[in-house]
Amino acid sequence: SQKIEQNSEALNIQEGKTATLTCNYTNYSPAYLQWYRQDPGRGPVFLLLIRENEKEKRKERLKVTFDTTLKQSLFHITASQPADSATYLCALEGQAGTALIFGKGTTLSVSS
Amino acid sequence: GAVVSQHPSWVICKSGTSVKIECRSLDFQATTMFWYRQFPKQSLMLMATSNEGSKATYEQGVEKDKFLINHASLTLSTLTVTSAHPEDSSFYICSAGDPLLSDTQYFGPGTRLTVL
Repeated sequence: SQKIEQNSEALNIQEGKTATLTCNYTNYSPAYLQWYRQDPGRGPVFLLLIRENEKEKRKERLKVTFDTTLKQSLFHITASQPADSATYLCALEGQAGTALIFGKGTTLSVSS
Repeated sequence: GAVVSQHPSWVICKSGTSVKIECRSLDFQATTMFWYRQFPKQSLMLMATSNEGSKATYEQGVEKDKFLINHASLTLSTLTVTSAHPEDSSFYICSAGDPLLSDTQYFGPGTRLTVL
């Protein structure tokens, strides 16, 4: 069955550094991969979507890479700020209109 | 961007009672909505796919007679937890997508259910 792993449950970094989160998947060939942010007691908020034919995508301080050979996506937050502290979820969707399958998430803490 | 709302935000009920949670797409029509459940420190787990005008599709292990889903219109899906038990206490989140806009899913803010 499809499996998604986000390697770290928690990541602690200092303000200004780059945070790098990893998402690996197996038994799956997704058409695209998405990253969401979830704050405690709230629903996930969409951040970025990267398609299988895209290697990299950027949005402001966020960067996502997608390596379909390694079956891995990396999510980077540059110049991190305490406000970036949250849980970041990786999600896969096989085709448009289907539900998302989520990783467990990585909780990022940025200290000032 | 697309907005999805949920009501109520939190609910506390007695064991054995039923609770209804509403999910609305506010500025787009959603033929399909999804219901997820999230336990503390766990990932979101898909419970069912709600289809407007037809029966919901439930994931393996989710009791359809316990978690009743009604997708009455293109902007409203409801999840009713029947005969709730303490183990049903969880964070319930719905999502919907607008294929005309993008391939992303937009999530509601979630409903915290506590069954005493």
